[in-house]
Amino acid sequence: EAGVAQSPRYKIIEKRQSVAFWCNPISGHATLYWYQQILGQGPKLLIQFQNNGVVDDSQLPKDRFSAERLKGVDSTLKIQPAKLEDSAVYLCASSSRPRPPYNEQFFGPGTRLTVL
Amino acid sequence: GQQLNQSPQSMFIQEGEDVSMNCTSSSIFNTWLWYKQDPGEGPVLLIALYKAGELTSNGRLTAQFGITRKDSFLNISASIPSDVGIYFCAGHLGDGNQFYFGTGTSLTVIP
Repeated sequence: EAGVAQSPRYKIIEKRQSVAFWCNPISGHATLYWYQQILGQGPKLLIQFQNNGVVDDSQLPKDRFSAERLKGVDSTLKIQPAKLEDSAVYLCASSSRPRPPYNEQFFGPGTRLTVL
Repeated sequence: GQQLNQSPQSMFIQEGEDVSMNCTSSSIFNTWLWYKQDPGEGPVLLIALYKAGELTSNGRLTAQFGITRKDSFLNISASIPSDVGIYFCAGHLGDGNQFYFGTGTSLTVIP
């Protein structure tokens, strides 16, 4: 079974530029998550999708971050414009069941973003 | 957001030693998860706990859901070099809420 795919693996941009990350979840997984992991910290949820609908985006900085999952499969996360404090690893995860007993969230390898 | 405090922040141990780490919160959680993250990879789930007092094992790993529901513990017995990594706890408050991750415990095993 293929895991969660993310691209690119690394991205370096200057502040005020735009960037987009792509995630392909495990086939059949209805729930998709985007997390931000700042160096030395645990992952922080940015947004959760159930199929193509948003379940939770309470911690997404909506003035600069946006995410979509148009057909309920792949998802993109965009930052526009980027700030220095956006430097982090952006993790995508998917699961087949969002409610207890929770199925495991399978994480992708992440995209490491450096904003200069 | 919720704050989950993990301790210790880092550990350096000899191969073969046992390891204990814990995670505490000011809030009551309904679910506790323990993850391991290797460098350059995403976290991988080790153990999931769903009931207060629950004790669950996965090979050399044992985790417990604290009775107060505000803490959880992870033990690793007879550590080996591949146990190296960062261990995260994650807690869930219940329906309509998200998982909150702890600050992580970095484990180094010296052969």
